Amino acid sequence: DAGVIQSPRHEVTEMGQEVTLRCKPISGHDYLFWYRQTMMRGLELLIYFNNNVPIDDSGMPEDRFSAKMPNASFSTLKIQPSEPRDSAVYFCASSFELADGFGGEQFFGPGTRLTVL
Amino acid sequence: AQTVTQSQPEMSVQEAETVTLSCTYDTSESDYYLFWYKQPPSRQMILVIRQEAYKQQNATENRFSVNFQKAAKSFSLKISDSQLGDAAMYFCAYRVLGGANSKLTFGKGITLSVRP
Repeated sequence: DAGVIQSPRHEVTEMGQEVTLRCKPISGHDYLFWYRQTMMRGLELLIYFNNNVPIDDSGMPEDRFSAKMPNASFSTLKIQPSEPRDSAVYFCASSFELADGFGGEQFFGPGTRLTVL
Repeated sequence: AQTVTQSQPEMSVQEAETVTLSCTYDTSESDYYLFWYKQPPSRQMILVIRQEAYKQQNATENRFSVNFQKAAKSFSLKISDSQLGDAAMYFCAYRVLGGANSKLTFGKGITLSVRP
């Protein structure tokens, strides 16, 4: 498998513009996570999905952020309008639930480095 | 709420020596997982080792081993025979068992440098 795929790898945009980050999880994984990494706050969970349904979005900073998972192989994280403080590395990760009920390893994508000018 | 604390922001080790990275956590749960992730300059998050809380035996993966002290809520990572490729940021992470609470909670990370 190719692993978790994220696009773009780098994004530079101007304040006020809409930004869309994309993620393709590993085939067969039923959990998908969006994380944000900054120097100040470290790695923080924004939202996660189970079987395409959002389970916990309490980490989403504000209404400017939205995430969707229209099917098992694709998810988007959208920021509209973007602000300089949104500059960060955004990671997507996926995992699967083991048959015995215990969770599997989370596999991370390479991340998208977002810079908002 | 669960928290993960890595109090050392940076550490340095001589190549071929052993280094221990510290991590403590706080939880009221009795069953959970603990992980160490490595993030090299490439930014890729790589799982180094995992420990199930119900297992008393410390996990080991080649040169990497953990010292899991459940009562003390401590989970340190020992890297033996350090190599230049071990230089990276290391994150300790916690998660409860599966189901609705499958998110990882990360510590702030520690930057490990390896001196040749």
